[in-house]
Amino acid sequence: QVQLQESGPGLVKPSETLSLTCSVTGGSISSSHYFWGWIRQPPGKGLEWIGSLHHSGTTYYNPSLKSRVTISLDRSRNQVSLKLTSVTARDTAVYSCVRQPGQGGWFLDYWGQGSLVTVSS
Amino acid sequence: QSALTQPPSVSGSPGQSVTISCTGSSSDIGYYDRVSWYQQPPGTTPKLLIYEVRNRPSGVPDRFSGSKSGNTASLTISGLQTEDEADYYCTSVTTSSVLLFGGGTKLTVL
Repeated sequence: QVQLQESGPGLVKPSETLSLTCSVTGGSISSSHYFWGWIRQPPGKGLEWIGSLHHSGTTYYNPSLKSRVTISLDRSRNQVSLKLTSVTARDTAVYSCVRQPGQGGWFLDYWGQGSLVTVSS
Repeated sequence: QSALTQPPSVSGSPGQSVTISCTGSSSDIGYYDRVSWYQQPPGTTPKLLIYEVRNRPSGVPDRFSGSKSGNTASLTISGLQTEDEADYYCTSVTTSSVLLFGGGTKLTVL
């Protein structure tokens, strides 16, 4: 059974960089069968796709966030990372790590529990 | 790209059927059979219900079904149960390889 667990600071100051890590167990992030990505959900609002990454390097990002986002893989630790620069209060959200089947499978079959990140001074 | 359009809320009584619509465009729902649906009960993580328009992952009851016509996809829940009360989200990939979410629909079981 695949499990995803997010970790990182719960509070980030405006203009700084949000950094989160997702530890994956029960499966390898180096598998050719899957993309790994991030979703966010502001409190009381809907879901927003941030982006997805395959171990081959193929990456897809939400155009509205692309200039500020980097998703990367740490194969030695089987972790997926998210960095979002120049954050503002609008970036306050629960950030969830997700698995996305490859070969055109644009759906999210496993989700982490989510990590609330608040942007505030 | 704009989010996909869902009704903010729907309701039904136990045992009844409800349908949630998800409207996009010819560049997303209308172009690919890559629509998926997620269920998010209050305070929990979203769960995959339907993928590629009409396929159910193992463990999802057949009371949940998906369909598509043109630029609109639909999720139908038959035999409503109280535990179906949740927020429901649709997604579709676009021709620009962007994953769009719908705004979400709150299902109330009366």
